[in-house]
Order: sequence, then C-alpha cells, then structure tokens
Amino acid sequence: KAGVTQTPRYLIKTRGQQVTLSCSPISGHRSVSWYQQTPGQGLQFLFEYFSETQRNKGNFPGRFSGRQFSNSRSEMNVSTLELGDSALYLCASSLGTGGRDTGELFFGEGSRLTVL
Amino acid sequence: GNSVTQMEGPVTLSEEAFLTINCTYTATGYPSLFWYVQYPGEGLQLLLKATKADDKGSNKGFEATYRKETTSFHLEKGSVQVSDSAVYFCALAGSGYALNFGKGTSLLVTP
Repeated sequence: KAGVTQTPRYLIKTRGQQVTLSCSPISGHRSVSWYQQTPGQGLQFLFEYFSETQRNKGNFPGRFSGRQFSNSRSEMNVSTLELGDSALYLCASSLGTGGRDTGELFFGEGSRLTVL
Repeated sequence: GNSVTQMEGPVTLSEEAFLTINCTYTATGYPSLFWYVQYPGEGLQLLLKATKADDKGSNKGFEATYRKETTSFHLEKGSVQVSDSAVYFCALAGSGYALNFGKGTSLLVTP
C-alpha cells in the first residue's frame, strides 16, 4: 500500500511569509504526527492529530499550527516565518489506537523548508 | 520530563565489524523504546522496538535489550554491511502519543 506522502518536498520562503505543508497518511491510519528535524535540535515533536482532534502538542510557539481533515489528511501551517524555522518537517502516520502499536510510526520523506 | 541521550558519532566501521550504538533514557514509568533508522534521502523507518524491561527487539541482524536497571537500550549488530550506512535514532514513547528522539548517530560502513 502507498506510504506517507508529503507535499511539497522542497520550498523556499522569506522571513515573514507563511507556509502550509500537507501530509497524506497511509490508508486506514487515523493518527498523524508532525516533527521538526534540524541539525542542532534533532527531531522535535510538534503535534499529533487523531480523528480531526489534536491530542498532543509539543513546545512550539503559536505560529505553528495544524489540522486534520475527515479523510485523515493533515496540514501544518507556520506563520510569520523566521530564519530558525528552516528545517525538515516530517509527517508520520499510525493507527493511533494505543496499545502495543503505540510509537510505531510510518514517516514520510519530509518537506524541506528554507527561510531566507 | 522524558529524554533520550545517544552517542552522536559519526561512527565509521569497516564491513563485518561489530557495532554498538549507546542509548540511555530518562522517563517516568515504563516507556516503550525504539530504534529508528534514516537511510540517505529517505524518511525514518522503525528498525526495532521493546515494550517492557528485559525485552529484546531484533530486526535485520540488529538487536537491542531494554535494560531498566541501567535505563539503556543499546543497539548492536554483529557484522555490519555497507548497506547499513545510515543515521540511527533511539526514541521512547511516554504518554500522549509523542516520541522523544535522541539526536541521532551517523554510521558509515566502508568496504
């Protein structure tokens, strides 16, 4: 079956702009998580959605937001971009129902954002 | 809060050498532990996991044992191959459906 699809794969923005990234999970997966990956900070959790509800949020400013649609596809938005937002943004999907599968995430290849 | 510490590397080994990548964690309760791998140009993939103390996760010749007494989950492989060159991430799942990742260890295996 198809994997996690993220679009766009690469994008360049300037400071102050906003950006929207999209993620299509594996069919049947209802949980979508977002992570920011940078050389300095590594992988940091942004937020997780399940059935259109945000269940958990990481320690990021309010400029970072997300949502999930009824078909489980998810978007994340970053407003008023800063240079430090340059990163690889990874989306991951999972069944999300807890139990023994908790933590078993399927990642997309990421969206690489460069802020100039 | 939860955290994961792993050796950052890079680690360079010759083919068929023994690999150990150290990982220790800090967490409340009994989190599940994971190793994820990121091959060049690809997304992260789950390599193996362990859900309780003394569990051993294994996959593709890699092994890691959940050691509660030392709060460790070291990754080992007896004989690495060039195709194992990648970045390896140790992670834990506490509560709330979020994973805490270590900073990753880059492994380069030379022929």
